[in-house]
Amino acid sequence: DQQVKQNSPSLSVQEGRISILNCDYTNSMFDYFLWYKKYPAEGPTFLISISSIKDKNEDGRFTVFLNKSAKHLSLHIVPSQPGDSAVYFCAASAEASGTYKYIFGTGTRLKVLA
Amino acid sequence: ETGVTQTPRHLVMGMTNKKSLKCEQHLGHNAMYWYKQSAKKPLELMFVYSLEERVENNSVPSRFSPECPNSSHLFLHLHTLQPEDSALYLCASSQARGDTQYFGPGTRLTVL
Repeated sequence: DQQVKQNSPSLSVQEGRISILNCDYTNSMFDYFLWYKKYPAEGPTFLISISSIKDKNEDGRFTVFLNKSAKHLSLHIVPSQPGDSAVYFCAASAEASGTYKYIFGTGTRLKVLA
Repeated sequence: ETGVTQTPRHLVMGMTNKKSLKCEQHLGHNAMYWYKQSAKKPLELMFVYSLEERVENNSVPSRFSPECPNSSHLFLHLHTLQPEDSALYLCASSQARGDTQYFGPGTRLTVL
């Protein structure tokens, strides 16, 4: 049973527009969430994180929103650039319970069209 | 060299071979991890080492044997693998267990 789900395997967006990547989770113990970006032939690169005490975290063009009641988080990229084309993974962990284990989603491939 | 490095980047082996994957981190971190990524599946955590001690083993078959001789190096020894073990094997490190993890580029393993 997948505890972290990324239901859209791929997404295409025009350059300059907003990219919205979604992630749903089932475990209410999760309290720390991350987004990673992965280019071909490279390992995942940490992008942005959010703790469950917040509902929004912003870093430049990247903003992560957390809706705890819906068990849903999203990554917004504004404006999208061709260099953002990559696979994006969301991950969750239950740090307060001391497990520290990251559970990853299957990823969403973003393609930003020039 | 900076970050997390992994060698080899690609490996093809037969089911009777013995090989090892190597990971080295140059970040001064104290925790290291092995993950497996199979096609269309999420990353699966295999092993966690914290201060050179194995602290987590997620029901990984014994044909995978990790070794952490010091806080900068992590090995994954492979023995009598199966074709279904073909995957991308990723190493990661973090300052401490629970901190943000930084990944290496991975080793693409093919078992024939």
